Amino acid sequence: AQSVTQPDARVTVSEGASLQLRCKYSYSATPYLFWYVQYPRQGLQLLLKYYSGDPVVQGVNSFEAEFSKSNSSFHLQKASVHWSDSAVYFCALSPNMGYKLTFGTGTSLLVDP
Amino acid sequence: DAGVTQTPRHEVAEKGQTIILKCEPVSGHNDLFWYRQTKIQGLELLSYFRSKSLMEDGGAFKDRFKAEMLNSSFSTLKIQPTEPKDSAVYLCASSFAGSYEQYFGPGTRLTVL
Repeated sequence: AQSVTQPDARVTVSEGASLQLRCKYSYSATPYLFWYVQYPRQGLQLLLKYYSGDPVVQGVNSFEAEFSKSNSSFHLQKASVHWSDSAVYFCALSPNMGYKLTFGTGTSLLVDP
Repeated sequence: DAGVTQTPRHEVAEKGQTIILKCEPVSGHNDLFWYRQTKIQGLELLSYFRSKSLMEDGGAFKDRFKAEMLNSSFSTLKIQPTEPKDSAVYLCASSFAGSYEQYFGPGTRLTVL
């Protein structure tokens, strides 16, 4: 069985500051990993994905994530956040492409303007 | 292209009622997913269809939850009878078969009194 842990339920940062949202996964092999974002009253949108190759992947809106096999982690980062980045961020994994996703519980990000 | 459409956006039901939630996937997508989202449990998969065939039926949700795909462009989720613990946001998502990217609808917020 697989699982995803996002240890921080809420994160608050000031506009312009750097950001790291943490994600740890549990799976017997290297899974496909994703970060989704959910803005208020909207569905989830894909930010970025990883399934092989360069462990640092780039996504939309200057987000990037770094995969670490040794740490079983896939942390999301951004160099300088904007107030519009305030949203809930979900880390997810899939053992195969095109099948169901296992989501973490999400991290609610508040950016102080 | 239209995204995933869900109706209604909000539903209020009395305990014991039957409710039907509707979803129209992105045109051409083969896979359709129903999720339940709560603050405590996060996102839980209810049902998964591929090309209108039910592939997974969400284990613990079988008793009172029934998802159907009447055709490739329309799906319903019936909850019968509703209980207060069913209060949640119900999300529908679709994707091309074999694709990692699921497109989510805005969700239906269900409140059961």
